[in-house]
Parts: sequence; C-alpha cells; structure tokens
Amino acid sequence: QKEVEQNSGPLSVPEGAIASLNCTYSDRGSQSFFWYRQYSGKSPELIMFIYSNGDKEDGRFTAQLNKASQYVSLLIRDSQPSDSATYLCAVNVDKIIFGKGTRLHILP
Amino acid sequence: DVKVTQSSRYLVKRTGEKVFLECVQDMDHENMFWYRQDPGLGLRLIYFSYDVKMKEKGDIPEGYSVSREKKERFSLILESASTNQTSMYLCASSTIGTGNTEAFFGQGTRLTVV
Repeated sequence: QKEVEQNSGPLSVPEGAIASLNCTYSDRGSQSFFWYRQYSGKSPELIMFIYSNGDKEDGRFTAQLNKASQYVSLLIRDSQPSDSATYLCAVNVDKIIFGKGTRLHILP
Repeated sequence: DVKVTQSSRYLVKRTGEKVFLECVQDMDHENMFWYRQDPGLGLRLIYFSYDVKMKEKGDIPEGYSVSREKKERFSLILESASTNQTSMYLCASSTIGTGNTEAFFGQGTRLTVV
C-alpha cells in the first residue's frame, strides 16, 4: 500500500522562528508533491507544490524535495500565529494520497 | 476561479438509509476524488475517477459506491448507511499530467448517521 508518513505533532514554534515540517513517502513512482494547509472546520488549501529535486521558494514558504531519500519538507520562515493549522503532505501516484497531517502551533 | 461544489454542508441520516453525496466541478478536470476525514486518521481516499464512467477503489471503498455519468459530476453513494460512516466527506478534482496537478476541494459534507 502506498503510504505518506508525517509526524502528527503538535509542533510548537515561537512566533518569528522557522517551522520545519517533514514527510516521507513509500512509492518511488510518485510524480508530484504537495503541501496543504487546513484550518479547523475548513477544507484543505494548497500552499506549495514541487516535482523536481531541490528547493522551491514562495514568500515565507520553502518546499524541499529529495527523491533519492523519498523525503519532502516544508519550511515556514518568520512564523505567524495565523500559520497555526494542520499541514497535510500529499503525493500524486496516479491518485492523490495524503498523509495524516502535522498540527502546527505558533506560540505568540 | 476553480470551484468544486458539494450538494450539502451538513446531513443527518438514519441507519440503513441510502445516501447520495453529490459533487460538481466547473474546471473540466479529468480526475475527481472522494475522501473521508476523521480525527487522528487524516484524509483517506474512498474512490476516485479519472474519466467518465471510470472508477478506481481507494483505500477504504467498503460500504461505498460511486457514479460518474458526466465529467463534471461525481457522486458518492452509501448503499446502507451505518453509524461508522459518520464523518466529514470531502470531494476534490484535479487535472492530469506532470507539474501542478493540485487537488481542489469542495467545502465538505459533515454526515451524521443516527
């Protein structure tokens, strides 16, 4: 069974610090990788996608992909209280599979 | 702006009822998905469809069926609702190919089976 693994957290990070979220996946045929943010009671919304090895930056967010290690991460710089949410890692292997999510709590 | 619309935001049904959850997308996406989300279990794929009349089982298809008669519409059917199917149900759609094939989500249907 194809799996996407994340630490469930909660991960507590002081405001202004860097939050680091990690994800591993089992299927080497995975093509695209996504990070979604989900606030309580809301649907997931896309933050970043990445499909090439290396780093991809968008504002305060950086996604990192290492296909050899089957590892994808999300860094959030200058963390804000509004970043407190559950972050879902997702992988496209002809269908989109989600991890269980990591709860992030930014401490004011 | 991509829009995925689910027919109901909240639904209460009785055990044994046949339940239909409808989802419509307006971006001509090939792929459509049904997930359920439960605390501690994350988003679990029930069924997905990559074309009209085509469907594939996800990780937890038992007790569910789906229908895709038109490209824009994907229905989830609970043949005989049970209390363990009480959950948040999320529909999503995406395009195919490489690159950004992100899933766009509907607003979710919170189903309670009593």
